[in-house]
Amino acid sequence: GGIITQTPKFLIGQEGQKLTLKCQQNFNHDTMYWYRQDSGKGLRLIYYSITENDLQKGDLSEGYDASREKKSSFSLTVTSAQKNEMAVFLCASSILGGAETLYFGSGTRLTVL
Amino acid sequence: AQSVTQPDARVTVSEGASLQLRCKYSYSATPYLFWYVQYPRQGLQMLLKYYSGDPVVQGVNGFEAEFSKSDSSFHLRKASVHWSDSAVYFCAVSAGNYGGSGNKLIFGTGTLLSVKP
Repeated sequence: GGIITQTPKFLIGQEGQKLTLKCQQNFNHDTMYWYRQDSGKGLRLIYYSITENDLQKGDLSEGYDASREKKSSFSLTVTSAQKNEMAVFLCASSILGGAETLYFGSGTRLTVL
Repeated sequence: AQSVTQPDARVTVSEGASLQLRCKYSYSATPYLFWYVQYPRQGLQMLLKYYSGDPVVQGVNGFEAEFSKSDSSFHLRKASVHWSDSAVYFCAVSAGNYGGSGNKLIFGTGTLLSVKP
């Protein structure tokens, strides 16, 4: 079996700050995803990547950048943190795409003061 | 556009009782449907998925779901719940294509299941 590791688990930032979240997977999966989870709103796709150096925008990409320099890692940057923002960011991976199962990390919880 | 509706934000049942969590989807083509579960402070784990064939699919831990094309539904069921089933349950539909374009799951807002001892 494999695992998805997200760092840090908790991230506290200041308004306007650039913040980076990291994700590593050892499944050797091709596709990786970043989702944002807000209470009562389910999960919304921010970015995904189908292979190394590929980036595809999701429905919520504004205000974020992403980077996939290696097959095993996918990072997400909040370009300018919004005051009072609180959310959980979930990283996931899957084989190629289509209707394959997504495997999720345990999340990074962001708080902006 | 694809969408998923979970009408019940919270469901409370007693241990040993049966359970149904509702899910309605909107999708123009043949849907690929999923149920995921999220235990406290963890990521999501897939319970079961439907692609085609028998409309009743079996998942882990005694969960099953039934696909209904006429009703556009994919309700999750369990005959007898345990306190450890307390978690948030998400229904999802795949909006992606095969061929490497990514599996862009569209998630519902989730149903928080509380099981009373």
